[in-house]
This record gives sequence, C-alpha cells and structure tokens, in this order.
Amino acid sequence: DIQMTQSPSSLSASVGDRVTITCRASQGIRNYLAWFQQKPGKAPKSLIYSASSLHNGVPSKFSGSGSGTDFTLTISSLQPEDFATYFCQQYNVYPITFGGGTKVEI
Amino acid sequence: QVQLVQSGAEVKKPGASVKVSCRASGYTFNTYLIHWVRQAPGLGLEWMGIMNPSGGATNFARKFQGRVTLTSDTSTSTVYMELRSLRSEDTAVYYCSREGRNSENDFWGQGTLVTVSS
Repeated sequence: DIQMTQSPSSLSASVGDRVTITCRASQGIRNYLAWFQQKPGKAPKSLIYSASSLHNGVPSKFSGSGSGTDFTLTISSLQPEDFATYFCQQYNVYPITFGGGTKVEI
Repeated sequence: QVQLVQSGAEVKKPGASVKVSCRASGYTFNTYLIHWVRQAPGLGLEWMGIMNPSGGATNFARKFQGRVTLTSDTSTSTVYMELRSLRSEDTAVYYCSREGRNSENDFWGQGTLVTVSS
C-alpha cells in the first residue's frame, strides 16, 4: 500500500498568514492527489483534485502543486473559516490511502 | 444539486452486523462510482472500498475483504454497506462518497456513526 505522509501534523497560525502543508507519497502517484478540509463533526469537503485543480466553488486562496511523490497545499491568506484539519489522499492505485491530517489552529 | 444522504446512527454489540445506506440524488445514479470511507474517533480517514452501482462491481481494502458487502438498489438510487462480525475497533463514522469524472471524491454523505459496544 502507498503510504501518505503529511507534515506538519499540526500548526498554529494567525489570520492573514500564508500556510503550506506538505504531503509525500511512498511511491510515485503521478498527479492523482487530492486535498480535503474537515471541520469537527462534519464530513470532509473536497478542495483540490489532480494535485492542482480546484473543485467548483473553492476559493482561489487555496492552491495545490506537485507531481510524483511530493505535493503541497497552500492557503494564501488564512481566514477564520479555514481553521480545520486538512487531509491529502492518493487515488492513483487501490487501496486509496490518506495522509494522517494536518490540524490548522489559531 | 448532488446530495448523498446516509442513514442514522447505529449501536451494535460485538459480533453483530450493521447495514448503512447512502441515498443519492441530483445526478444519474448508475453513472458514478461510490466509495466508502470511515473515520474512528479522533483519527484519520480510512478507505474501505468502492462500488459501481451499474453492474455491482466492487473493490475492497484488504483488511475489509470478506467482512464487508456493498450492494445497490437502482430503483431508489441507494447504495448499502454491510459490515459483519463487528468489534469495538469498528466504532467510527462511516461516509459514502461519489467518485467524480476526474476519479476524485467530489461529494460526500453526512456520515453515519456506528458504535460497537457490549
């Protein structure tokens, strides 16, 4: 199975900060990488697919990059509604696997 | 608009089975695959398997093979996930999720909490 390693596992930031989260795959996954946002008690929300494509309705402050094994999610200017946990996911091969999550806290 | 609506919370005893439903609306049901993902309390996301509602083909994570069944009812646009031989470690929120045209999980159900306790 492909292991997805996210870092950091948590971070503290302030409103207006630029935040970057990284995700590393244990083997190449081309660009079959997605990012999700999850708030407490809620289902995950799809942010980015194909490593860098935004889902409909996702604001452009979110951006993704990378290919192969190394990927990043960037939030350009953190807003109060962005404080949440973020997960990466590879869907290049089965079983689909997720990173451990990054909790973004105030 | 696309919606996936799941059945309500369940409490089961160890060794029992649970069947969770996921009713789809807002799109042509049998043209999109459905994934099941679970999340134990305070932990991350774990992929369980996938089903093609058209034809019934499935693929499961190795740890769930033989213990989980995915079925669909095209007349009600509903997918079902049955997990058998429940143990306390199966306590989790179970999510269904649609696979979009780019193979990504684009829409998610609200989740169903399954609690396994004696």
